[in-house]
Amino acid sequence: GDSVTQMEGPVTLSEEAFLTINCTYTATGYPSLFWYVQYPGEGLQLLLKATKADDKGSNKGFEATYRKETTSFHLEKGSVQVSDSAVYFCALSEWDTGNQFYFGTGTSLTVIP
Amino acid sequence: DAGVIQSPRHEVTEMGQEVTLRCKPISGHNSLFWYRQTMMRGLELLIYFNNNVPIDDSGMPEDRFSAKMPNASFSTLKIQPSEPRDSAVYFCASRGEGLSSYEQYFGPGTRLTVT
Repeated sequence: GDSVTQMEGPVTLSEEAFLTINCTYTATGYPSLFWYVQYPGEGLQLLLKATKADDKGSNKGFEATYRKETTSFHLEKGSVQVSDSAVYFCALSEWDTGNQFYFGTGTSLTVIP
Repeated sequence: DAGVIQSPRHEVTEMGQEVTLRCKPISGHNSLFWYRQTMMRGLELLIYFNNNVPIDDSGMPEDRFSAKMPNASFSTLKIQPSEPRDSAVYFCASRGEGLSSYEQYFGPGTRLTVT
C-alpha cells in the first residue's frame, strides 16, 4: 500500500544554515506530494506541493522536487530562520485510493540564533 | 473563508465522562477527516467521510469512539466513556472533490485532557 517515510528528528540547526529533510514514498500509481508545516500549538498548514514528476513546489524559501526515479520529495531551504522552527510532515495522495492522505511521522526542526 | 472550524479548542474532563468534539468543514468541501495527535503515536487518521458517508473507520481505536456527519457542514467525534489515554489533540480536516492534487485543510485542533 501507499506510505511515506521521513527522516527521524529532531533536527537542530543554527540560523542561516542549510536545511534538508528527506522524504521517500511508496505508491501504486502517480501520487501528488505535499509538505505540511505545524507551528507550536497550531494545526497543519500546507507548505508546498507537487502533482507530477519533476515538478518543483516552492513557498517561503522552501523547495521540494518530485523525483519519480528515486521516489523522493526532499524538503530544502538554503538559509533557515528561527521562525522556521516547527514540525514538518511529508504526505501523499493518490486518486485511486480516494481522498485519503498518507502522512509521514513528522520531523521536528529547531533553529537556534 | 473562515477555514475549518473546531470546537471546543480545549476540553478538560474526568474519566468516564462523555466528550463531544465538533467540526465545521470548509463550505463546498466533500471530504472530512478526523485525526488524533500525540507525542507517542504522532498523527493518526481515525476516520474519514466522503459526501457525508464514512469511508474508512479502521483507525478508530475502539467502540468508545464514534463519529457522525449528519450533513455537509457538520461532524462530531464522540468518546464515551473517556479515559486518560484519550488525552491528545484532535484535528479535523476537509478537502475538495476529486483530484489527488487537492490539499487537506486542517482546523486548529481540540486539545483534550482526561483526568
